[in-house]
Amino acid sequence: AQSVSQHNHHVILSEAASLELGCNYSYGGTVNLFWYVQYPGQHLQLLLKYFSGDPLVKGIKGFEAEFIKSKFSFNLRKPSVQWSDTAEYFCAVTPAGSARQLTFGSGTQLTVLP
Amino acid sequence: KAGVTQTPRYLIKTRGQQVTLSCSPISGHRSVSWYQQTPGQGLQFLFEYFSETQRNKGNFPGRFSGRQFSNSRSEMNVSTLELGDSALYLCASSPHGLAGGTGELFFGEGSRLTVL
Repeated sequence: AQSVSQHNHHVILSEAASLELGCNYSYGGTVNLFWYVQYPGQHLQLLLKYFSGDPLVKGIKGFEAEFIKSKFSFNLRKPSVQWSDTAEYFCAVTPAGSARQLTFGSGTQLTVLP
Repeated sequence: KAGVTQTPRYLIKTRGQQVTLSCSPISGHRSVSWYQQTPGQGLQFLFEYFSETQRNKGNFPGRFSGRQFSNSRSEMNVSTLELGDSALYLCASSPHGLAGGTGELFFGEGSRLTVL
């Protein structure tokens, strides 16, 4: 079965700082990878996704993530965070082309100080 | 297009009772998945339904069950509630289901269950 590790449980940054959230997965085959975000009081929503092709994917609100197959990683980055980026971020994985569930990491709470 | 709708949004039950939660997926979506979200365990997969059939089931006891109707609406039921069942229960829909699809899910706002 697949699993996902998010090593940073809580990250605190000042506005304009750069962000990198780590995500590592465990699965022996081809995967689809996702980052979801949950803003305070709102539902989970998709930030970006990787299925195949260019390992550097861009999502909404200036976020990007890089898939490094050799490291089983899919780290989320943003060059300059804003106060409005305060949220909980979840990395998720599912085996590509299979009827398996989406497996989520434990989440990283990002707090951006104004 | 309306999003995923979950009812009720909040509910309080006592140990031993049972509860039924409802989910209306986005129009045209045939797959509905359920997740339990708690501070300690994060998001844990409960089950997935596609065209009224349960296709995947997570590692939860038999007290947790679900079903899907012909209009794709889904319900989940938890019987003999325990304190540890207190959680946010999230429903998510997708057009094609996990098989053959991309795994992208559209989430509702959840039903927050408190068990006293």
